[in-house]
Amino acid sequence: DADVTQTPRNRITKTGKRIMLECSQTKGHDRMYWYRQDPGLGLRSIYYSFDVKDINKGEISDGYSVSRQAQAKFSLSLESAIPNQTALYFCATSDPGQGLGGELFFGEGSRLTVL
Amino acid sequence: AQSVTQPDIHITVSEGASLELRCNYSYGATPYLFWYVQSPGQGLQLLLKYFSGDTLVQGIKGFEAEFKRSQSSFNLRKPSVHWSDAAEYFCAVGANNQGGKLIFGQGTELSVKP
Repeated sequence: DADVTQTPRNRITKTGKRIMLECSQTKGHDRMYWYRQDPGLGLRSIYYSFDVKDINKGEISDGYSVSRQAQAKFSLSLESAIPNQTALYFCATSDPGQGLGGELFFGEGSRLTVL
Repeated sequence: AQSVTQPDIHITVSEGASLELRCNYSYGATPYLFWYVQSPGQGLQLLLKYFSGDTLVQGIKGFEAEFKRSQSSFNLRKPSVHWSDAAEYFCAVGANNQGGKLIFGQGTELSVKP
């Protein structure tokens, strides 16, 4: 099983619908991240969490919200999806014990299409 | 503010040829620098990282990168490319005040000709 699991892997939805992308990890890391990937733009951070009680906005948090239900779970929600939120979304974790040089471990991505 | 620029959106090289992917960063202090690779349909995998010491860093799959402070660059190199290296490559920078969050470049897509 993958260390970082994202569900769903693919989702097509309509404008205005509420969508939740879920991420769970078995690496025991405190830090979790949500990134969005768009062609030609690379990855941009949406939200990141250093522990269950510490959640921070990233570069592009507008239109998104998150919930850190437990150390192992970090969910991303789109309260009212719009077409320009069509993208590939990645969850990642890192180990604070490695300091700032710690590797990010990525899930396989969730492809979201908003019609 | 930190930023990362990968000037080449798409590069094509012949199998067996050498490769260099460019990365330039903007950051006031010594950055933490990373190269990740994304194979089609996959998440990102760390190739190598630099945050202190020897400026030439060795990574997995035969890749290396050199940190040049004077040029604000961290270019990725491989002496001989294999067809399996076809993927998208991302340079990223981290900083002391970002707690592990990385800023990524736009990515460079590598195609390998037989």
